[in-house]
Amino acid sequence: EPEVTQTPSHQVTQMGQEVILRCVPISNHLYFYWYRQILGQKVEFLVSFYNNEISEKSEIFDDQFSVERPDGSNFTLKIRSTKLEDSAMYFCASSEVGSGNTIYFGEGSWLTVV
Amino acid sequence: QKEVEQDPGPLSVPEGAIVSLNCTYSNSAFQYFMWYRQYSRKGPELLMYTYSSGNKEDGRFTAQVDKSSKYISLFIRDSQPSDSATYLCAMTRRDDKIIFGKGTRLHILP
Repeated sequence: EPEVTQTPSHQVTQMGQEVILRCVPISNHLYFYWYRQILGQKVEFLVSFYNNEISEKSEIFDDQFSVERPDGSNFTLKIRSTKLEDSAMYFCASSEVGSGNTIYFGEGSWLTVV
Repeated sequence: QKEVEQDPGPLSVPEGAIVSLNCTYSNSAFQYFMWYRQYSRKGPELLMYTYSSGNKEDGRFTAQVDKSSKYISLFIRDSQPSDSATYLCAMTRRDDKIIFGKGTRLHILP
């Protein structure tokens, strides 16, 4: 069964450092998303991406965040200067059509900022 | 009022019992309703997907949507210890971001 894969599974970084989280969406999917989940809290939408551009972003997705699809398979989330409050599980997701259809999540990348 | 409300639990039930999980929401524009299962430190796994009002059954799982009451439910029949997880309700309008509930932690007691 096709799946969304994410790397790394866990990363520890110092405050102020740049982090890149990587995702390989399901191959025939066209819409890509990043969500995050702070420990014990709800899954929160960060950004959606379609046709090589951001289609929607949340208030959380400020200038410190960026997304990129550098080639035909990878989808990345970059945090330029990490803060302690960026510590969370980051989930990549993809879907065949817009969010009205089903979206599938990866296993997540656990980011710890120290 | 929060957009999506879900009792965080924990909910503990004996093995074999019927489990009922629920969410309420405030945005009448939501059309697509989903239930995800999440094991600890893992990604959400799509269980059920329903468009508009009605029921949908898949094996031991039944999803119900009542748009007039803005209320959705997930029923699990013949619950198993492996069903122990956090269950997230989620909903969206067409071509819009998905909004999640906080999740209900479910424990099935052997």
